[in-house]
Amino acid sequence: AQKVTQAQTEISVVEKEDVTLDCVYETRDTTYYLFWYKQPPSGELVFLIRRNSFDEQNEISGRYSWNFQKSTSSFNFTITASQVVDSAVYFCALTPIYNQGGKLIFGQGTELSVKP
Amino acid sequence: GAVVSQHPSWVICKSGTSVKIECRSLDFQATTMFWYRQFPKQSLMLMATSNEGSKATYEQGVEKDKFLINHASLTLSTLTVTSAHPEDSSFYICSARDKGFSYEQYFGPGTRLTVT
Repeated sequence: AQKVTQAQTEISVVEKEDVTLDCVYETRDTTYYLFWYKQPPSGELVFLIRRNSFDEQNEISGRYSWNFQKSTSSFNFTITASQVVDSAVYFCALTPIYNQGGKLIFGQGTELSVKP
Repeated sequence: GAVVSQHPSWVICKSGTSVKIECRSLDFQATTMFWYRQFPKQSLMLMATSNEGSKATYEQGVEKDKFLINHASLTLSTLTVTSAHPEDSSFYICSARDKGFSYEQYFGPGTRLTVT
């Protein structure tokens, strides 16, 4: 069975604080992709990152960084020096590469509120 | 590139009527499209997987006679909500998988359906 858990339902921070969004996943597949998406109030999903299960290198993109730890089945997302524009719901998702026909399994989402 | 459009972006209909939502891949061919439903403060729930030229595969608990899906071409899939009721009010999102890159999935901006 595939499952993605985002234990933090809501997080509230003050602008310029760093914040980490947790994502833990379960899968029996050895090859899979992990994703993070941002959903602002407009509703449109914004793709942030895709990570292959073979690639455990951490990635940094501007103020965003991701920590992929296969040993703990986690794929956490950190925003450094948060800004009000970061306020959104963030989803972590998983898809097996060879099974499930490309279906994305989403976590429940974490609503991030960044206050000025 | 990789743009997916949805039409309409929002729709209000009366209980008992049917409404059709279109999902188009504008600059790529999509052999597979996915339809999701999202209720307020909840995650995306996959409703069905639509493959071009064949019948859609519905997730457990989704009424196939109520949510009619047609994937007539490599760039167009439609979702028809038949005999809509207020409980069908939701945010419907489609995504399209690029024929050339099986792991890439691009999301439409969503359609907000309100049934009165």
